[in-house]
Amino acid sequence: GNSVTQMEGPVTLSEEAFLTINCTYTATGYPSLFWYVQYPGEGLQLLLKATKADDKGSNKGFEATYRKETTSFHLEKGSVQVSDSAVYFCALHYGNNRLAFGKGNQVVVIP
Amino acid sequence: DTEVTQTPKHLVMGMTNKKSLKCEQHMGHRAMYWYKQKAKKPPELMFVYSYEKLSINESVPSRFSPECPNSSLLNLHLHALQPEDSALYLCASSQDYRDSSYGANVLTFGAGSRLTVL
Repeated sequence: GNSVTQMEGPVTLSEEAFLTINCTYTATGYPSLFWYVQYPGEGLQLLLKATKADDKGSNKGFEATYRKETTSFHLEKGSVQVSDSAVYFCALHYGNNRLAFGKGNQVVVIP
Repeated sequence: DTEVTQTPKHLVMGMTNKKSLKCEQHMGHRAMYWYKQKAKKPPELMFVYSYEKLSINESVPSRFSPECPNSSLLNLHLHALQPEDSALYLCASSQDYRDSSYGANVLTFGAGSRLTVL
C-alpha cells in the first residue's frame, strides 16, 4: 500500500541548530512527495514538494530531496528559529489526489 | 486571493444540535475536501467534491452531511454528533481532483474549525 513513516517523538532543539526530520515512504510507482507545516492553532500549509526522483524542494530555508533509492524525503534546515516551532507532516500523493500523511513531528525551538 | 476561509473557527454543540461548518475559496479551484484531524494525529480524509459533485466518501457516518452549493462553497452539516467527533475539521481545495500527468494537484488548506461536542 501507500504509506509514510516519520521518526518517532517530538524534536527539541536550540535556536540556530540544524534540523533534520526523517521521512520514508512506501508506494507503488513514483508518487509526488510533500512536507506540510502546521503552526499552533492553524491549518496545514504546504512547505515544499518534489514530483520526481532527485528533485529538491525548498522554501523558507527548508530543503528535502526525493531519494528513490532509499525511498526517503528527509526535511532539513541549517539554522532554525523560534518561529519554526510547529508540527511537520510528510505526505505522499496517490490515486485521485489522495494524500497519505505521516504521523507528524512536533518541533520545539528553544531560544 | 489564495486563501481557503473556514467559519466558524470554534464551535461547541450538544449531541442533539444541528450545526454547519462552512468553507469558501475564490481561487477557481474545482476540487474541495473535508478532513478531520484529532489531537496529535495527521488529517484524515472525509469527503472530496469535484466539479460540485461528491467524488469520494471515506465511509463517513451519516451524521456528517456534506454539501457543495457552488464551485466556491463547501458545507459540512452536523447532526446528532458524538463526543468522539470532537476534532479540528479542515477544508482544502485544489485546482482539480483527477490525476494529473504533471504531478499532484497541490492542496490549499484552511485554518480549520475546532469542534467540541458535549
